[in-house]
Amino acid sequence: DIVMTQSPLSLPVTPGEPASISCRSTQSLLHNNENNFLDWYLQKPGQSPQLLIYLGSNRASGVPDRFSGSGSGTEFTLKISRVETEDVGIYYCMQSLQTPRTFGQGTKVEIK
Amino acid sequence: EVHLVESGGDLVKPGGSLRLSCEVSGINFVAAWMSWVRQAPGKGLEWVGRMKSRGSGGTTDYGTPVKGRFTISRDDSKNTIYLQMNGLETADAGLYFCAHLSFFGAYGVGEPQLTTWGQGTLVTVSS
Repeated sequence: DIVMTQSPLSLPVTPGEPASISCRSTQSLLHNNENNFLDWYLQKPGQSPQLLIYLGSNRASGVPDRFSGSGSGTEFTLKISRVETEDVGIYYCMQSLQTPRTFGQGTKVEIK
Repeated sequence: EVHLVESGGDLVKPGGSLRLSCEVSGINFVAAWMSWVRQAPGKGLEWVGRMKSRGSGGTTDYGTPVKGRFTISRDDSKNTIYLQMNGLETADAGLYFCAHLSFFGAYGVGEPQLTTWGQGTLVTVSS
């Protein structure tokens, strides 16, 4: 199974400041069609998860442009350019290259 | 609008069985790929399994901890997907979500994204 590792696991943030989460995989997620099969999900408190970023760098419908995804192969980053209070929650990376699908441990983002 | 409603969560003894259901509306369910994801209390997300549409073969794949014990099936006439869980262990307790999958890349290349989620149904495993 592909193992996904996120860091940090806890991220206190100040509103208006940037934030960054790292995700690494034990196997390259770069397909020969040049897509990186890495997605990001956000689970806000008390809610079901929602898709944020798909195929490494594409924002899902309705996701604000302060969210961006980057990276390739085995190393990926989710960035929030200016954190807002509504961004608190747990962020998960997940590989979509193959089954079994695997999630990272999650990064809890909270306001300082 | 896509809507998913899970049901069937309950308290069950270790070694017991349970069947969860997820009724879907707002999409052409016959063409839908579906997944189950679970979350133990206070823990992260864990992929349970996926079932392709019948048109794509209807095949299933499972996460390592549940392979051989859990089975996903579907009834397209009822727009419903099921998760049959046998040999339940305390580690299987948690909130079980179903999710509708969509391909944002080329269809059939890699695995699709989990685009819409239900609210979850709670499974408790305890003697």
